Amino acid sequence: DTAVSQTPKYLVTQMGNDKSIKCEQNLGHDTMYWYKQDSKKFLKIMFSYNNKELIINETVPNRFSPKSPDKAHLNLHINSLELGDSAVYFCASSQVEQGVRGAFFGQGTRLTVV
Amino acid sequence: AQSVTQLGSHVSVSEGALVLLRCNYSSSVPPYLFWYVQYPNQGLQLLLKYTTGATLVKGINGFEAEFKKSETSFHLTKPSAHMSDAAEYFCAVTRGPSGGYQKVTFGIGTKLQVIP
Repeated sequence: DTAVSQTPKYLVTQMGNDKSIKCEQNLGHDTMYWYKQDSKKFLKIMFSYNNKELIINETVPNRFSPKSPDKAHLNLHINSLELGDSAVYFCASSQVEQGVRGAFFGQGTRLTVV
Repeated sequence: AQSVTQLGSHVSVSEGALVLLRCNYSSSVPPYLFWYVQYPNQGLQLLLKYTTGATLVKGINGFEAEFKKSETSFHLTKPSAHMSDAAEYFCAVTRGPSGGYQKVTFGIGTKLQVIP
């Protein structure tokens, strides 16, 4: 029943490692997003994909690379993790054509880099 | 361009008192406006949204918000606070049905504390 699901929910890793966060939505939406929520609770968009195509790519280090194998999935891969990458990452989806829905969010992935 | 300003990063109310969380927005086109709630250690949940039509919108858990174009505001209210309302609240804006892609811009959040 989960509309937008992310895995893992918690991720603790060492600096320099490479990690991935997976996201899947079963709402039939055609647009998916990755947001980063920092320690001050500020939500900042990182990427947006529409029908597997990258649409929004905010100023994010190249170490972050989104991958969308199909429109129901948007994964986030992070290379060479740094301490400053510690945050909660939220995946979200919405339907562009309908234009009437707020984005549905996943539960978030709390990434801690040590 | 669009932006959201939430006034007050922390708001404290007594249980049973009125809840008022302020949100002002700017948008170059007619906006869609949203309030999201984030309970501790949980994800974001849509509380209510304004798209078109009636400017007073009702959401879950007794919350409502009024879209005031002249004031560019979308304040969130609840007549009587409950302990379970303690959470972080985010106001968000996106473009209306103008086509293209919906980039949702969030405010910085307001943490609501309910005092017994």
